[in-house]
Amino acid sequence: GESVGLHLPTLSVQEGDNSIINCAYSNSASDYFIWYKQESGKGPQFIIDIRSNMDKRQGQRVTVLLNKTVKHLSLQIAATQPGDSAVYFCAENIPGNQFYFGTGTSLTVIP
Amino acid sequence: NAGVTQTPKFRILKIGQSMTLQCTQDMNHNYMYWYRQDPGMGLKLIYYSVGAGITDKGEVPNGYNVSRSTTEDFPLRLELAAPSQTSVYFCASRSTGDNYGYTFGSGTRLTVV
Repeated sequence: GESVGLHLPTLSVQEGDNSIINCAYSNSASDYFIWYKQESGKGPQFIIDIRSNMDKRQGQRVTVLLNKTVKHLSLQIAATQPGDSAVYFCAENIPGNQFYFGTGTSLTVIP
Repeated sequence: NAGVTQTPKFRILKIGQSMTLQCTQDMNHNYMYWYRQDPGMGLKLIYYSVGAGITDKGEVPNGYNVSRSTTEDFPLRLELAAPSQTSVYFCASRSTGDNYGYTFGSGTRLTVV
């Protein structure tokens, strides 16, 4: 199967600081990537996506960066808030196939 | 729209018992999926379906069965529950095409004792 991994299983940040969550993917054919947020006891929720023909995409307080050269994806959260505490997954899609999910990074925001 | 609805939310089974996890979506999505999530782990694909009448095995299908008689429903069946099937199960759906993300249900927490 595909390998989608995260560099850090846990991340703690102070409220108001910026957070960066990293993800490595292994298949150069992957052309679409999504970040999901999973709060305790809930299903994953879509945060932001990016296609492989883009390097950067911004949403509300979130930015996704894609580096295809090194097969690396990152999620930046600006001015992290306590409500951002959750597990964050990246997922990659190979055309004609299903998504593959990483293990996840647990983000804890310290008030 | 209710999105993806899973029932039950919690269930405790004895070893050898059987049960069906229900999943229904009202978004007219063709693709539906069942994942399991073990503590501290990522999502592992059990079965998926690209449309009514079509199902395929995922990464970890052993011990499970599915059916897809309608676009809306995609039940997951456990015939002989084993402790290794203790997990949280998520159903998801998405529209046709590669560049669409999943909509997940809220999950079913299953414990086999």
